Amino acid sequence: AQTVTQSQPEMSVQEAETVTLSCTYDTSESDYYLFWYKQPPSRQMILVIRQEAYKQQNATENRFSVNFQKAAKSFSLKISDSQLGDAAMYFCAYASQGGKLIFGQGTELSVKP
Amino acid sequence: GAVVSQHPSWVICKSGTSVKIECRSLDFQATTMFWYRQFPKQSLMLMATSNEGSKATYEQGVEKDKFLINHASLTLSTLTVTSAHPEDSSFYICSASGYGLKNDQPQHFGDGTRLSIL
Repeated sequence: AQTVTQSQPEMSVQEAETVTLSCTYDTSESDYYLFWYKQPPSRQMILVIRQEAYKQQNATENRFSVNFQKAAKSFSLKISDSQLGDAAMYFCAYASQGGKLIFGQGTELSVKP
Repeated sequence: GAVVSQHPSWVICKSGTSVKIECRSLDFQATTMFWYRQFPKQSLMLMATSNEGSKATYEQGVEKDKFLINHASLTLSTLTVTSAHPEDSSFYICSASGYGLKNDQPQHFGDGTRLSIL
């Protein structure tokens, strides 16, 4: 069975600085997808970024980028130029071809002004 | 983008009553819907997966008779919490996947329902 682990329950970053959230996963599959979701206090689930396992290039979406290390089964999220609106719970998630999502435990990110 | 509407957003009811939560896909055909439960500061826990026209598949430890799931059409799934008790109080989120979606997300989420049982 696949598992997703986020070892940082809480993280803090100064506004305009950079922060990296960690995520590791375990799977025996070769084809899969990885995601980072943001859940602000409103509790909406917002997709931040997605990575296909077959792509070697790390995904980037504006200030958000990932460091995908397939052999190490690591998928970290880097947030550059942090903004107050980035404060939220962040979930790393794994999806196989069947589409079922497996979430990590979450990291609560606070942004200090 | 794809829209999933979940209703109600917040419900308070007395212990022993049954509560129904609706999840609708507004602009695509949802062949599969997922129901999650989330406790404060915790992750989303998958409760069940339902395919249109079929019985739901429940995750281990989830009581089928307590959490009734119906997915009778390609746009609507419902979760009924039967004879609800205070321990059923939680945040419930639905999500959907299906035809007519851009291939950027495996699931599109509703905004969730906060259920409080007194």
